[in-house]
Amino acid sequence: AQTVTQSQPEMSVQEAETVTLSCTYDTSENNYYLFWYKQPPSRQMILVIRQEAYKQQNATENRFSVNFQKAAKSFSLKISDSQLGDTAMYFCAFMKHNSGGGADGLTFGKGTHLIIQP
Amino acid sequence: AAGVIQSPRHLIKEKRETATLKCYPIPRHDTVYWYQQGPGQDPQFLISFYEKMQSDKGSIPDRFSAQQFSDYHSELNMSSLELGDSALYFCASSPTSGRAETQYFGPGTRLLVL
Repeated sequence: AQTVTQSQPEMSVQEAETVTLSCTYDTSENNYYLFWYKQPPSRQMILVIRQEAYKQQNATENRFSVNFQKAAKSFSLKISDSQLGDTAMYFCAFMKHNSGGGADGLTFGKGTHLIIQP
Repeated sequence: AAGVIQSPRHLIKEKRETATLKCYPIPRHDTVYWYQQGPGQDPQFLISFYEKMQSDKGSIPDRFSAQQFSDYHSELNMSSLELGDSALYFCASSPTSGRAETQYFGPGTRLLVL
């Protein structure tokens, strides 16, 4: 079984600052995927960024980037030039690769509540 | 762009009643997942379907069942409802090809059991 740990229950930064959210995971799998999802007050789950474990290059999506350290089982999210609309709960999630074409569920961390102050 | 559709969006039931939640995946997505998110909690995976067959099973209670139909929509049936079943229920879908591992979530169904 996999576990995902987010050690920061809440973080607060000023608008335009850069913030890094931490995530560590534990697995015996070699092929897997990692995700960050954002959940604003509307409670919609929005995909922020994804990373394939077999890729060494860190994923980037506009202001969002990750620092993926496979050996350390660490997957942090960096948000640059933070905006008020980034205020949300951020969940780190793990999914193992299913070579048989099936559909495995996501294992989520407990989340980090990020508050962007004006 | 089309998104995952869930109905109803809100549902109020009494204890011991039954409830059926519906999910319509994004067009050309053949995989559906169900999650339960209690207040202040992270989403918990319940069950998934790939090509209309059950694929993976998580912490789904025996009182719950689900299926995927020929048009790929899915229904989650919940019986003998308990107060603890009050939660936000998400459906997610992923595509047949390309980034097949990426799950796109619907808006959720808020279930309140009284």
